[in-house]
Amino acid sequence: QVQLQESGPGLVKSSETLSLACTVSPVSVTSANYYWTWIRQSPGKGLEWIGYIFYTGSTTYNPSLKSRVTISQDTSKNQFSLTLTSVTAADTAVYYCARSLYYYWYIDVWGKGTTVTVS
Amino acid sequence: QTVVTQEPSFSVSPGGTVTLTCGLSSGSVSSHYYPSWYQQTPGQTPRTLIYTTKVRSSGVPDRFSGSIVGNKAALTITGAQAEDDSYYYCGLYMGSGIWVFGGGTKLTVL
Repeated sequence: QVQLQESGPGLVKSSETLSLACTVSPVSVTSANYYWTWIRQSPGKGLEWIGYIFYTGSTTYNPSLKSRVTISQDTSKNQFSLTLTSVTAADTAVYYCARSLYYYWYIDVWGKGTTVTVS
Repeated sequence: QTVVTQEPSFSVSPGGTVTLTCGLSSGSVSSHYYPSWYQQTPGQTPRTLIYTTKVRSSGVPDRFSGSIVGNKAALTITGAQAEDDSYYYCGLYMGSGIWVFGGGTKLTVL
C-alpha cells in the first residue's frame, strides 16, 4: 500500500521560507505516470491545489502561488519537497502531499497532512 | 479567472437522496474537466470518492455516484446515512496542467 508522509517545521516566521518534504513508500517517485502533488487547507477553508512534480521532474504550479513556489524531488531519499518563500499569515494551513495519476486528474493517495503556522 | 462553484451547504434526511453540484463561474463542466469528488470530515484527511466523472474509488459505497447534470458535474448520494454528514469538494482539470478545487459543500444529514 502506497504511503506518503509529510515532514517539516510546524512553525515558520513571517517573511521566511516554508520547506516541507514528503517521503513516499514503497513506490519510487520516479514511477511512471504519477504526479506528486501538494495541496493545502487554511483553517476553516477549502482545499487549494498548490502544484505538482511529474515523475519526469517537470513541474506545474497554481498561478496564484507560482512566483513563490518550488516543488522538487530527491530520488536518493525517495522524497518530493515544497518550498514556499516570503510566507505570511495567509499561508498558515494544513499541507497535504498526495499522488495523482497521469491523465485521470485525481488524487488517489493522500498523506495525513502537516500543520504549518506562520507567526 | 474562472471559479469552480459548489453549494455552500445542503441538508438531507437519513435515507434520502441528495445531489451536490460542481460548476464554473463561466462555461459548462463536461467530462473533459475530469471531475473528481472528495469527502472530508473536520480534522481528517480527505477521502477520494469519485474520479473521471463517475468512477467510484476503491471501497466507496455504491450509494455515491457521479455524473454530469446539465452544465455541471454532480455527486448524488442515494440513501444518505448519518456518516455522510461531511464536507464534499470537487476538483476539476482546467487544462494546461492546472487543477482547481471547488469551495466545498457542507452536507448535513438530519
